[in-house]
Amino acid sequence: QPVLTQPTSLSASPGASARITCTLRSGINVGTYRIYWYQQKPGSLPRYLLRYKSDSDNQQGSGVPSRFSGSKDASTNAALLVISGLQSEDEADYYCAIWYSNTWVFGGGTNLIVL
Amino acid sequence: QVQLVQSGPEVKKPGASVKVSCKTSGYTFTDYGISWVRQAPGQGLEWLAWISVYNGNTRYAQMFQDRVIMTTDTTTTTAYMELRSLRSDDTAVYFCARDARDTAVAGGPDYWGQGTRVIVSS
Repeated sequence: QPVLTQPTSLSASPGASARITCTLRSGINVGTYRIYWYQQKPGSLPRYLLRYKSDSDNQQGSGVPSRFSGSKDASTNAALLVISGLQSEDEADYYCAIWYSNTWVFGGGTNLIVL
Repeated sequence: QVQLVQSGPEVKKPGASVKVSCKTSGYTFTDYGISWVRQAPGQGLEWLAWISVYNGNTRYAQMFQDRVIMTTDTTTTTAYMELRSLRSDDTAVYFCARDARDTAVAGGPDYWGQGTRVIVSS
């Protein structure tokens, strides 16, 4: 079972909110980790969006709009990237990552389609 | 502004080595580390290794620890990653990214280079 599991794809409408999940493997407690989120558009480099551990330990990437936010759901052992007020330009791949066992681990990525 | 500019595309034969450079600017090079991440065609992000420019500490993904060599040049604020014994499945875009200077410090890959395409083919 992978360390981080993301849905392969997600569709949402312009103006709506999208919630992208990043589920940690059983036995790896989401509450313990800082979760990093990245956006990547086709043919481009990844863009750092934000880091979230808790409401008191989080960081927004430089120039990243506040409609991108992070949270956690302890009941499902998952981190979430919430994008509110979806715009067509938000269509991209999104990756979560954690520093786990002295290595960076990335989720498999979620392709967000805005239609 | 923070910038990381990588070297150009490479075509290599199986068994050869490739060395990718990552020229940084806009920040204090020795206050951070550098991570190397790759992306095979149509695939996700895969982390290879991290080096602290601050103290030279390194960490590697297990599958790369015997094939990756990282160096930094503080006089030119440039980081280098050499991947040896290339195979066809090493074909990918290789990214450098500014990272924390210590694994205990909050912070991760934030600013990224534009990527270097490496093709391994006989």
